[in-house]
Amino acid sequence: GAVVSQHPSRVICKSGTSVKIECRSLDFQATTMFWYRQFPKQSLMLMATSNEGSKATYEQGVEKDKFLINHASLTLSTLTVTSAHPEDSSFYICSAREWGEAFFGQGTRLTVV
Amino acid sequence: QKEVEQNSGPLSVPEGAIASLNCTYSDRGSQSFFWYRQYSGKSPELIMFIYSNGDKEDGRFTAQLNKASQYVSLLIRDSQPSDSATYLCAVRPFSGAGSYQLTFGKGTKLSVIP
Repeated sequence: GAVVSQHPSRVICKSGTSVKIECRSLDFQATTMFWYRQFPKQSLMLMATSNEGSKATYEQGVEKDKFLINHASLTLSTLTVTSAHPEDSSFYICSAREWGEAFFGQGTRLTVV
Repeated sequence: QKEVEQNSGPLSVPEGAIASLNCTYSDRGSQSFFWYRQYSGKSPELIMFIYSNGDKEDGRFTAQLNKASQYVSLLIRDSQPSDSATYLCAVRPFSGAGSYQLTFGKGTKLSVIP
């Protein structure tokens, strides 16, 4: 299957700083990527849909100014958590589509202290 | 509000038994249904997908879909301790081109006891 690489896998940052997470499709071009957040013992919640060359579409309740998404190329989407706070600590996962199937990145465990 | 419901478990089965995981969905227009396995601290990995009513088998896994009852299930035969994980049911609302958003259930935690 297709490979989606997400980096970093784990990050600890201080409250008030910004963190960038990268999501790359390694062997295919992804016009659309998805960003999810998962809190402990909860399901994946879609945060936003990232479209190459255009603005991301955010789900209701997700602050677009706090979670900046850039999809500058067909193989790379980035999520920047700006001015992170402890409540932003979560598992962030990206996903990309190829031929009707969704493939997930390895996920990023963000801890804000 | 489109919803996908799963029993959170935990579901415990002895090694070698059949594990049965169930999922119901609220959007009658849903077209595609997926089962993902997620180990603790890891991202989900696709096990199976099913589009048509009936059964679909892949190795030890069988997905069953009943659109009239808005019900999809996953059977795992000859369960192994390595099958212990959380199983996520995901539903795609339509099959046309464009967005490929999935709605996930909260997952069922499966424990296979050696």
